[in-house]
Amino acid sequence: GESVGLHLPTLSVQEGDNSIINCAYSNSASDYFIWYKQESGKGPQFIIDIRSNMDKRQGQRVTVLLNKTVKHLSLQIAATQPGDSAVYFCAETLTDSWGKLQFGAGTQVVVTP
Amino acid sequence: SAVISQKPSRDICQRGTSLTIQCQVDSQVTMMFWYRQQPGQSLTLIATANQGSEATYESGFVIDKFPISRPNLTFSTLTVSNMSPEDSSIYLCSVVGQGRKTQYFGPGTRLLVL
Repeated sequence: GESVGLHLPTLSVQEGDNSIINCAYSNSASDYFIWYKQESGKGPQFIIDIRSNMDKRQGQRVTVLLNKTVKHLSLQIAATQPGDSAVYFCAETLTDSWGKLQFGAGTQVVVTP
Repeated sequence: SAVISQKPSRDICQRGTSLTIQCQVDSQVTMMFWYRQQPGQSLTLIATANQGSEATYESGFVIDKFPISRPNLTFSTLTVSNMSPEDSSIYLCSVVGQGRKTQYFGPGTRLLVL
């Protein structure tokens, strides 16, 4: 469901380090997962997705890991850059219910020099 | 990915008035949706915009408050009716392309109701 309150969890990362953002999803039947990045004043931007028949998927500087046993999703960002500062959301859905994305609460990533 | 635009990008409105938000996509898409993002919070699905028929609303959202139109495969509108300060949010349009690969979002409309 929706997050409660106005304070997002914050991850502070030094520039050049790797970031790991975690997400617990709610529906064990969900079979498609997406990570979005939302910069201030913009809409969510697609980063990477993964289907439930996989446990790992890599993109450019990003890796998504899926652990269906504990309903856990993580996004790893390699060599974090100042431009990676944003709020990151995970989203889950059933591919039979296209569009009914259930979003996580979001994590604010702050990259420090 | 599809290019999605929304108008207006932001607005300040008086309570009791209504605002219609437009969403335009540069290519034909299978599905279009409207989400709300309240200040500092995550996204919540309002409804699925169905072409040529009534939208499908999620629990907690009703047609009288959020009428939606989708006259063709590239355009949709969301109206926020009889606004109150609690309607102050970002309203986002999203689409799933005809290849059904994933879901993309527009830039959002930032609404402040006084």
